[in-house]
Amino acid sequence: KAGVTQTPRYLIKTRGQQVTLSCSPISGHRSVSWYQQTPGQGLQFLFEYFSETQRNKGNFPGRFSGRQFSNSRSEMNVSTLELGDSALYLCASSRAGAQDTQYFGPGTRLTVL
Amino acid sequence: QQPVQSPQAVILREGEDAVINCSSSKALYSVHWYRQKHGEAPVFLMILLKGGEQKGHEKISASFNEKKQQSSLYLTASQLSYSGTYFCGTENTGFQKLVFGTGTRLLVSP
Repeated sequence: KAGVTQTPRYLIKTRGQQVTLSCSPISGHRSVSWYQQTPGQGLQFLFEYFSETQRNKGNFPGRFSGRQFSNSRSEMNVSTLELGDSALYLCASSRAGAQDTQYFGPGTRLTVL
Repeated sequence: QQPVQSPQAVILREGEDAVINCSSSKALYSVHWYRQKHGEAPVFLMILLKGGEQKGHEKISASFNEKKQQSSLYLTASQLSYSGTYFCGTENTGFQKLVFGTGTRLLVSP
């Protein structure tokens, strides 16, 4: 079956702009989690959506937001971009959440200039 | 709540063994292990659940010590393909979210 897809794969933005990233989970998966990956920081948990509801949230400022649609596809939005937001953003889908195998997408590489 | 992994990096020769540790300051419900190769997405290796259930890779083993809030990943007879960064993810009891450590970089040389 098709894996997790993320679009776009690469993005270059300037400070102050906003960006929307998209994640399409594996068919049948209802949980989508988002992670920020930077060198030395590992995978930082942003939030998790399950059946269109945000179920968990990490320690990121309110500039980071997300949503999930009825088909389980999820979007993540970052407003007022800062240089420190440059990172690889990964989404992971699973059937039910934290207790299940997470299937990661290839990520979106965001560069903020 | 971020788990602590050790060592941060390890270099092995092909055929040698390695152990990667993961510890949490809070009670654990489950521990996940993933491997990420450079430029690729993390790939599932194993889940260990409170109570002893394990799901995962046939050639890799792991332990889960609930009392010590620790898990260890055992890589035996390492192969070149084992190279990559290993992440443990922990789900603390009552929190239902998966939080990953900063990773352990493993390099296997011929």
